[in-house]
Amino acid sequence: ETGVTQTPRHLVMGMTNKKSLKCEQHLGHNAMYWYKQSAKKPLELMFVYSLEERVENNSVPSRFSPECPNSSHLFLHLHTLQPEDSALYLCASSPRLEGNYEQYFGPGTRLTVT
Amino acid sequence: GQNIDQPTEMTATEGAIVQINCTYQTSGFNGLFWYQQHAGEAPTFLSYNVLDGLEEKGRFSSFLSRSKGYSYLLLKELQMKDSASYLCAVTDGDYKLSFGAGTTVTVRA
Repeated sequence: ETGVTQTPRHLVMGMTNKKSLKCEQHLGHNAMYWYKQSAKKPLELMFVYSLEERVENNSVPSRFSPECPNSSHLFLHLHTLQPEDSALYLCASSPRLEGNYEQYFGPGTRLTVT
Repeated sequence: GQNIDQPTEMTATEGAIVQINCTYQTSGFNGLFWYQQHAGEAPTFLSYNVLDGLEEKGRFSSFLSRSKGYSYLLLKELQMKDSASYLCAVTDGDYKLSFGAGTTVTVRA
């Protein structure tokens, strides 16, 4: 595997379910990110980790809970979601936590909340 | 706050040239990125500009004017595979990328 991978690619869940999204990067990067992409809207930064430490929690509701057990893996735990949380969730990584580094994105998880 | 504007949609013919404009008003600036995103796929890096001027990479070029808060992405010799969404993003010098909503380019035969 190369680059940034995400599983599952598609997820349908009810509002009372608990599920987790997984991201793995094989690039040796130190920074990892979660973004939300809704139709016709800009990507919204949700969480940022640098060397497994969270450095950004961008006013995200507590029903989204990130976890970064090591610099290669990033999870997004979901519980009691709302229909408006349906979106594409993208994971990205970059060599370091500095803005002039290119971010490498995974293919995303398409989430539908019913 | 950050404000990044780009057109929603553009259509062009195969072999033609298309220019996607991006204007930004941000609290800080340390460079502007362009990403390409095909439907259902990951955004992929196209270019990064931090100094004024034109950067050329094959059929794609990107221009930046910091004083005007303006950039464009120029796609030449359009091919069907160039049909995609093009995302303009500004970095504030920290680690945050602020994105525009994206421009969907449709290439017609």
